[in-house]
Amino acid sequence: ELKVEQNPLFLSMQEGKNYTIYCNYSTTSDRLYWYRQDPGKSLESLFVLLSNGAVKQEGRLMASLDTKARLSTLHITAAVHDLSATYFCAVDDSGSRLTFGEGTQLTVNP
Amino acid sequence: SAVISQKPSRDICQRGTSLTIQCQVDSQVTMMFWYRQQPGQSLTLIATANQGSEATYESGFVIDKFPISRPNLTFSTLTVSNMSPEDSSIYLCSVRDYGYTFGSGTRLTVV
Repeated sequence: ELKVEQNPLFLSMQEGKNYTIYCNYSTTSDRLYWYRQDPGKSLESLFVLLSNGAVKQEGRLMASLDTKARLSTLHITAAVHDLSATYFCAVDDSGSRLTFGEGTQLTVNP
Repeated sequence: SAVISQKPSRDICQRGTSLTIQCQVDSQVTMMFWYRQQPGQSLTLIATANQGSEATYESGFVIDKFPISRPNLTFSTLTVSNMSPEDSSIYLCSVRDYGYTFGSGTRLTVV
């Protein structure tokens, strides 16, 4: 059974600081997704990582995938308040389903 | 990517009743997925719905409680049956296209 673990689960940051969220998974997969969820809202797709070594960047967020280590990271650069949300990683299990991590609740403080 | 219209967006229901949630996709998709997100939790897959066949349910979810219909390649429904307060959650449908796209969610409160 595929397991996906995120850490930290809760993250409180100061504006302007950098931090990384980690996503570890237990079985071989080369498809990993990052989503953002605002309170009471659905999931917004951030990144689709489809191969080992994939790196994608959008604004202050950068995601990477190391399939050999079964690890993805979501790096936040110079955080701003608007980034406050819950971030989920999800791993594609053989193209037939997604298994989600527990989520990281990010709060960016002024 | 696909655009999904999910209805209703929210509902408050009496225990013992049933609610049917609908998802309409703007393109034909083979696989549709139904997830549950309990308060403060992550998403858990309920079932996978393929057109023309019975839905495949995950461990802990049964057809009598969560019947699913998939009459064509653009539409699916999930019914939450004989509801109890423990069913209060957000329910989301999803389709696999380039990645996985999610509907806007249905926030269900059972009183």
